[in-house]
This record gives sequence, structure tokens and C-alpha cells, in this order.
Amino acid sequence: GNSVTQMEGPVTLSEEAFLTINCTYTATGYPSLFWYVQYPGEGLQLLLKATKADDKGSNKGFEATYRKETTSFHLEKGSVQVSDSAVYFCVNSGGSNYKLTFGKGTLLTVNP
Amino acid sequence: EAGVTQFPSHSVIEKGQTVTLRCDPISGHDNLYWYRRVMGKEIKFLLHFVKESKQDESGMPNNRFLAERTGGTYSTLKVQPAELEDSGVYFCASSRAGRGTDTQYFGPGTRLTVL
Repeated sequence: GNSVTQMEGPVTLSEEAFLTINCTYTATGYPSLFWYVQYPGEGLQLLLKATKADDKGSNKGFEATYRKETTSFHLEKGSVQVSDSAVYFCVNSGGSNYKLTFGKGTLLTVNP
Repeated sequence: EAGVTQFPSHSVIEKGQTVTLRCDPISGHDNLYWYRRVMGKEIKFLLHFVKESKQDESGMPNNRFLAERTGGTYSTLKVQPAELEDSGVYFCASSRAGRGTDTQYFGPGTRLTVL
């Protein structure tokens, strides 16, 4: 079946630190992979996505590369800001055309 | 372009009562989805509409849950009667097409508390 395993938090960093949130997946078929973010008091927003192997999604300084050989989609950012504090979800569309499978979410707190 | 909206934002009810959640998708999005996150668990798929038709309701937990999408516009999710384990956050999402590559746009969620 389809699953997502992401790094458990919480993660606490100082401003300008490097961020990695690990994510691995299993899927039937050829999934698309997403990172969604939920800022405090807000809904889920798409952060970035990749639809095929070796694609790199990027947005707001965040990047993730779709690695089929390691079934991974790790999220990285070179220099985090206080405003990046949020919950990050790794998401897999699996082999289906619509049913998203979510990781448990990683709470990131960035301190000034 | 207005995003996905959900109403209410919070609902507190007693066990055995009925609650109806509403979702208004982005205009022009034929595909509408319901997900929920119960305490300590992952966000889970509940069901998928294409216009007014239920495409997949395999994630609906039991027959106490009823979803409708009259006229292919807004959708409602009714829980009757509510049980304690139904507490959680219910998310609605919409997309223009129903392919796995398409982005699903999420609403802010409805937090349901069953006492």
C-alpha cells in the first residue's frame, strides 16, 4: 500500500540554521510527492511538489528532490527564518489519481 | 480567486448529537475531497466527489457519516449520531482535475469536538 514516514519532531532551530526534514515513502504505481505546510492558525498550503523521479520542487527557499532509488523526498532549506515556524507534512499521491497519503507532520520552531 | 472555505471553524457538540460541516470549493473545481485528522493520527482521506457524484468513499469510517454535494457546488458532511472518537479536524480540498499530479487546495479545516 501507500505510506509516508517522516521525521518526528518537534524540531527547534535558530534563525539562519540549515533545515532537513526527512521523508520516505512507499507507493503502488508512480506517485507524485508533495510538501504541505500549516502555519499557526491557518489551513494546509502546498509548499512544493514533484511529479516524477529526479524532479526537484522548490519554493520560498525550500527544496526537495524526488529520489526513486531511495524512495525519499527530504525537505531542505539553507537558512530558516522565524516565519518558517509551522507544521510540515510530506504527502504521497500513491498510484491513485487523487487519494493523498500524509505523514504525521513535523513541527518546526525557529527561534530568533 | 477565493480559496476553499469551510464552515464552521469550530464545533462543540455532545455525544449523540448531529453536526453538519460545510465546504465551498474553489470556483470551477470539479473535484472535491474530504479528509480528517483525529488526535495523534495522520490526516486520512475520507471521500472524493467529481461534480455531484461520489467517486470514492472508501475512507468513510462508518454509516454515521454522510456526505453530499448538491448540484456539484458546495459539499456537506453530516455526522449522525456523533461519537467521541469523531473528534478531530475535518479538512476539505478541491482540485480542477483528479489526477495524482494535480494540486489539491485545502480549506482551513473544521475542528470538531464531541463531548
